[in-house]
Order: sequence, then structure tokens, then C-alpha cells
Amino acid sequence: KQEVTQIPAALSVPEGENLVLNCSFTDSAIYNLQWFRQDPGKGLTSLLLIQSSQREQTSGRLNASLDKSSGRSTLYIAASQPGDSATYLCAVDNNNDMRFGAGTRLTVKP
Amino acid sequence: DVKVTQSSRYLVKRTGEKVFLECVQDMDHENMFWYRQDPGLGLRLIYFSYDVKMKEKGDIPEGYSVSREKKERFSLILESASTNQTSMYLCASSRHRGYTFGSGTRLTVV
Repeated sequence: KQEVTQIPAALSVPEGENLVLNCSFTDSAIYNLQWFRQDPGKGLTSLLLIQSSQREQTSGRLNASLDKSSGRSTLYIAASQPGDSATYLCAVDNNNDMRFGAGTRLTVKP
Repeated sequence: DVKVTQSSRYLVKRTGEKVFLECVQDMDHENMFWYRQDPGLGLRLIYFSYDVKMKEKGDIPEGYSVSREKKERFSLILESASTNQTSMYLCASSRHRGYTFGSGTRLTVV
């Protein structure tokens, strides 16, 4: 059974810093990997989707990489802003069997 | 963009009541999912469906049932609500391009 781990569990940074969130998974036979953002009490918002054949995806200040062979993905956030404060979830899809990490709770201080 | 709509943001129900949580998606996705999210336990899959009138048990189906009479609608049913079903419930749909989530329903059973 796929297991997904996210490190760190929580992160607090000053505004303007670049930061990296880590995700690791145990089964490399994945269909795709997806990063989500969740604000308190809300649903999940998709940030980036990386298909298994891809190495990275970029959207604005966000860049996600995927290394299937090592079972790792990173989410890079450039020039962080207070509005980036949220929980970030990594999810790995083994063909419609999506497994989630526990998330990284990010706080960006003004 | 795909939109997944959950009918209620907040619900308060009494123990023993039959509860219906409704989810509708507007982009003809075959796959639909129900998760619950609890602090410290993350997202756990309750039920999923790959097609109309089709359903499969997820990791924690006990105490729940589902209905999918139309492709766009996937309902989660709590036959007799209990306090341990107090949780955030999240619906998602997919079609090969990652998952799209609804905004969630916070259910409190008193």
C-alpha cells in the first residue's frame, strides 16, 4: 500500500523567503502526483499536477519536481507571501487510488 | 474548469438521524470519491465510484453508503449518524487529469 510522507509537518518563515516542501512515497509505480493547498475549514485547491512521465511543473511562483526512482517530490515556493499561509498536501495517484500525505502547515510572517 | 459542488458547508444533525451529503460535478467525470478528514488522521477514503450505479468501498466504509444514479451526482449516506462521524467530508472527481475537490461539508453530530 502506498505511503506518503511530508516533511516538515510545520514551517514558519518570514515574508520574501524561498522555501521547499518535501514529499516522499514508497511505491514508484505512480500515475501522477498532485500538490494541493488547503485553507482552514476549506476544501482542497489543486496547485500543480505532475504526470508520471514528467519531471516538473511550474505555475507562477510555484515549481514542483518529481523523481519517481527515488520516490520524492518537492514543491518550491519563491518569494513567499503571507497569503501563502496554508496547509500544503501532496497526493500520489496509483491509477485512481489517491493517497495523501499529512500535509505541511506553512506560516509566512509579514 | 471543473467544478465540484457540495450542497452544504455546515450541517448539524442528531444521533440516529439519516444524513445525506450531496456532491455534483459539471464536467462529465467518470470517477467520484468521498473522503473524510480528521485532525491527525489526514484524508481517508470512504467510497468511490467509476461509473453510474457503480460503487466501491474505500478504506473506512463502515457506517456509510453511497448512491450514484446519475453520472454527475454522488451522494454519501449516513444511515444512522453517530458522534464519531463528526468530521469534514470532502468530495472529489477525476478523469485522468488529477482530482478536483469540492469545498467540503463540516458535519457535526450531536
